[in-house]
Amino acid sequence: QKEVEQDPGPLSVPEGAIVSLNCTYSNSAFQYFMWYRQYSRKGPELLMYTYSSGNKEDGRFTAQVDKSSKYISLFIRDSQPSDSATYLCAMSAGPGGYQKVTFGTGTKLQVIP
Amino acid sequence: GAVVSQHPSWVICKSGTSVKIECRSLDFQATTMFWYRQFPKQSLMLMATSNEGSKATYEQGVEKDKFLINHASLTLSTLTVTSAHPEDSSFYICSASPEFGQFFGPGTRLTVL
Repeated sequence: QKEVEQDPGPLSVPEGAIVSLNCTYSNSAFQYFMWYRQYSRKGPELLMYTYSSGNKEDGRFTAQVDKSSKYISLFIRDSQPSDSATYLCAMSAGPGGYQKVTFGTGTKLQVIP
Repeated sequence: GAVVSQHPSWVICKSGTSVKIECRSLDFQATTMFWYRQFPKQSLMLMATSNEGSKATYEQGVEKDKFLINHASLTLSTLTVTSAHPEDSSFYICSASPEFGQFFGPGTRLTVL
């Protein structure tokens, strides 16, 4: 069993839809949770960074963490064609710096105009 | 803030030659940097952890004699692919962290003919 599971998609939605992206994990040591967006042939871009359970909102993006269920989500409201990319969840036991980060396989999202 | 650069962005070389990739943290110091490899339509695979002033830590299955890592300063780590072969063709990405999360470089696409 992988430490982090993520549905690879592809996920295709119409412009303006609410998108829900999810990951599950098995390592209870994970405390820090991140979502990255990666466009084709580019490095991943950090979108959201959360610690422990709870919600965090930034513009059209909302990240949710449920540590009791070992389940994290990223919601994108009013999705735009420019949101079309691969979204990677990531998590670590520590805040960064020296900490190894474990990534999901990524979900490919396509927003259709 | 938290900008990471990589050079070159792409490189084509002949089989048997060595290729050096640079990773720089532009606006922060990083005692630890990470090197990843990503094959098409696959997620990031951690290759090694680069530590300033000491030896790199390699993940299981990664040949340390083939992928030489030098972290000579707090803002620069280099990855040298020695005696490159076509199977080494991939997208190489580095990351570093100022305090939390990890910020990625734009990646280097290596093609070995």
